[in-house]
Amino acid sequence: QVQLQESGPGLVKPSETLSLTCAVSGDSISRFYWNWIRQPPGKGLEWIGYVSHVGSTHYNPSLRSRVSISADTSKNQFSLSLTSTAAEDTAVYYCARRVEDSGINYYFDLWGRGTLVTVSS
Amino acid sequence: SSELTQVPAVSVALGQTVRITCQGDSLRYYYANWYQQKPGQAPVLVIYGKNNRPSGMSDRFSGSTSGNTASLTITGTQAEDEADYYCNCRDSSGPHLGMLFGGGTKLTVL
Repeated sequence: QVQLQESGPGLVKPSETLSLTCAVSGDSISRFYWNWIRQPPGKGLEWIGYVSHVGSTHYNPSLRSRVSISADTSKNQFSLSLTSTAAEDTAVYYCARRVEDSGINYYFDLWGRGTLVTVSS
Repeated sequence: SSELTQVPAVSVALGQTVRITCQGDSLRYYYANWYQQKPGQAPVLVIYGKNNRPSGMSDRFSGSTSGNTASLTITGTQAEDEADYYCNCRDSSGPHLGMLFGGGTKLTVL
């Protein structure tokens, strides 16, 4: 059974860097694309970006200047870094696996339980 | 534009059929996927692609698309179907590598 587990600080000071890791168990990250998605309290889902096992990435244009996602195949995990944080970055952060359907459609079939990160002094 | 639009809230009587819609230009190119999210939990995939259900997902859930509008239909709605529902699809803008989410629809079962 494949599981994803987010970890990292629950509190970040404004202007500092938010760093999270997603550990993958039950499958190798050398397949599929691995994503970060966030959800501010009481609001909807926002896709942040993805990394592949070979390190290719793509980010939400609204966050591109501040975000970096990387993969560590030796540890079977991937990580999120978000710089210059502000209160608006307070959210539950989810990691998720993206798979393809018929080579055209992408969807998220597995999600971590999410971790709340609060940006506050 | 790179957006998916959902009605914020919908209600349905127990046992009846409800349709939740999602509109956006990217849906002219890619199918919508649908996720169910209950309070305090991570989203769960309920429909993906043309009209596919993950293993174990109830056949009460079905999906369809017409033009720029995708729909999630729940037939014989049960109390446990009360949740937030999000549509999602591949972004047809730029290099077609990004992903979009709708704003979500809160389903209330009366």
